Amino acid sequence: AQKVTQAQTEISVVEKEDVTLDCVYETRDTTYYLFWYKQPPSGELVFLIRRNSFDEQNEISGRYSWNFQKSTSSFNFTITASQVVDSAVYFCALALNTDKLIFGTGTRLQVFP
Amino acid sequence: AAGVIQSPRHLIKEKRETATLKCYPIPRHDTVYWYQQGPGQDPQFLISFYEKMQSDKGSIPDRFSAQQFSDYHSELNMSSLELGDSALYFCASSLGHRPHEQFFGPGTRLTVL
Repeated sequence: AQKVTQAQTEISVVEKEDVTLDCVYETRDTTYYLFWYKQPPSGELVFLIRRNSFDEQNEISGRYSWNFQKSTSSFNFTITASQVVDSAVYFCALALNTDKLIFGTGTRLQVFP
Repeated sequence: AAGVIQSPRHLIKEKRETATLKCYPIPRHDTVYWYQQGPGQDPQFLISFYEKMQSDKGSIPDRFSAQQFSDYHSELNMSSLELGDSALYFCASSLGHRPHEQFFGPGTRLTVL
């Protein structure tokens, strides 16, 4: 089965708190890609990161960081010192040897001032 | 840099009407992917085209058809619209049929009344 699970439906934090969004994926393929997208209220899908299955290096980009662990099939996303502008729905997605991206159900993040 | 263009951005139709959504890929991109995102849902893959031929098909209703033209733009035709067709429709494109390198357009928001 190929699947992406985002168990957190909604998370609320206060500005400046750190927050981690969880993503667990399932696939038997050895070659795959993982993504995170941000969808603000305006609706567009904003690409945040892509990782291939052979690159387990964690990545940091400003306040964003990603932790990829093949041993637990997880690709978690952490926002440090959250801001109100981070409020959005965040999707984790999986790409295999097909055309489609398999999305998780998304996590709605609300950051309150 | 040029991005994927979708038109119209918003569309309102009545039940049983027909709608045509257009997608203009990034210049030189030869592969187009269509996704449907219902309210509160994650994007679901509909169909894709590579070099003007259908490449992959997802859960696309029989009432929907799509094609890719010689200039690589694509159109999604939706007939006998139903209330449940109200959704955000995303088009993505890639160069050389690399699904893991899809770039998403801003989406077309279709409302069926």
